[in-house]
Amino acid sequence: GAGVSQTPSNKVTEKGKYVELRCDPISGHTALYWYRQSLGQGPEFLIYFQGTGAADDSGLPNDRFFAVRPEGSVSTLKIQRTERGDSAVYLCASSLGPSNEQFFGPGTRLTVL
Amino acid sequence: EDQVTQSPEALRLQEGESSSLNCSYTVSGLRGLFWYRQDPGKGPEFLFTLYSAGEEKEKERLKATLTKKESFLHITAPKPEDSATYLCAVQSPTGGGNKLTFGTGTQLKVEL
Repeated sequence: GAGVSQTPSNKVTEKGKYVELRCDPISGHTALYWYRQSLGQGPEFLIYFQGTGAADDSGLPNDRFFAVRPEGSVSTLKIQRTERGDSAVYLCASSLGPSNEQFFGPGTRLTVL
Repeated sequence: EDQVTQSPEALRLQEGESSSLNCSYTVSGLRGLFWYRQDPGKGPEFLFTLYSAGEEKEKERLKATLTKKESFLHITAPKPEDSATYLCAVQSPTGGGNKLTFGTGTQLKVEL
């Protein structure tokens, strides 16, 4: 079946702009996660959704980052007033439930100029 | 705070030369230890989950083992297509118990 999909695959923006990154999880997966991966590092947790609600947002670095999942399926990660330090690959993952293995999408490479 | 340390950072093997990758972890109660493979420009691909010390899992040329402090990923007779970065991650009750804490990975290169 279809895996996790993310759009766009690449996003280049200017410092101070607003961006939205989209994640389509595997059908039927109730848990959805966002991670951020910098070059040479492992993925770093940002936020976890169980259904429509953000069950754990402890990894969001500051209030410029926000994520939603209004219907319990597709999720959007929103970054306001982007900074050069936000440049990274943003990965989305989904799992059948919170204790099951997480399956990752291909990521969105964000570059802030 | 959960911590994961992977070694070596990089490993170069000849085709057929078996070896092991190490993942040391510190958690306040392990829910699961996960191994992923990541190819350049792609997202991590799930390989194994281990839940308790003594558990082993195998898939083709890969075998993962777990103790109370570390996990090993054994690669038997590797082929060039096994070249990738291998990531280890832990899940614990910390902070809700659902997020994965990753190590920085071992970059494996298998040469002919």
